[in-house]
Amino acid sequence: SQQGEEDPQALSIQEGENATMNCSYKTSINNLQWYRQNSGRGLVHLILIRSNEREKHSGRLRVTLDTSKKSSSLLITASRAADTASYFCAIGSYNNNDMRFGAGTRLTVKP
Amino acid sequence: DTEVTQTPKHLVMGMTNKKSLKCEQHMGHRAMYWYKQKAKKPPELMFVYSYEKLSINESVPSRFSPECPNSSLLNLHLHALQPEDSALYLCASSMPGLAGEYQETQYFGPGTRLLVL
Repeated sequence: SQQGEEDPQALSIQEGENATMNCSYKTSINNLQWYRQNSGRGLVHLILIRSNEREKHSGRLRVTLDTSKKSSSLLITASRAADTASYFCAIGSYNNNDMRFGAGTRLTVKP
Repeated sequence: DTEVTQTPKHLVMGMTNKKSLKCEQHMGHRAMYWYKQKAKKPPELMFVYSYEKLSINESVPSRFSPECPNSSLLNLHLHALQPEDSALYLCASSMPGLAGEYQETQYFGPGTRLLVL
């Protein structure tokens, strides 16, 4: 069962624009991760943010975590056509040992 | 080597067939996972092996039978599958964490796309 809810479900932007995706959850968490999946392929890990962290950066990616609002956001700056993919948040719940994926956001970046 | 490999890439099987999916990693990870992913849906956890022992079985039907012969290999044996089992099957691996044992970064293989006729 998924523990994260993502919005929007789909996002279409022009190359060069920024893309923001959000993930909300209901439980207390140990950590939250973001993964990318190109069509029909395996998932690639992007960033892991722990419950005591508020923001992390990796290249053009910025992830924020607000545990009071039980939400996280992934910002991709200066998007490229190659960023076209599905993006999933994955919740590491405090109550479970494992990690559960949200429904995902399908991002399309038009050249 | 941060690669997880899966074979075969594609598999078509009838409902009476027996087939196996294979997964291999050489990163020294001690946790390995099977996920099932239907089109336009997130991956759903099926099984977790930790130190070669089955740790989590998410109430998966017995027609799916996992096996972990050693710390680098993970198999998924398939028998008498149904058409609704057609999906992308993903293998992943990670090092177990201290808190939230299976919540550290997971490395995924490219998946096996299975079609059951």
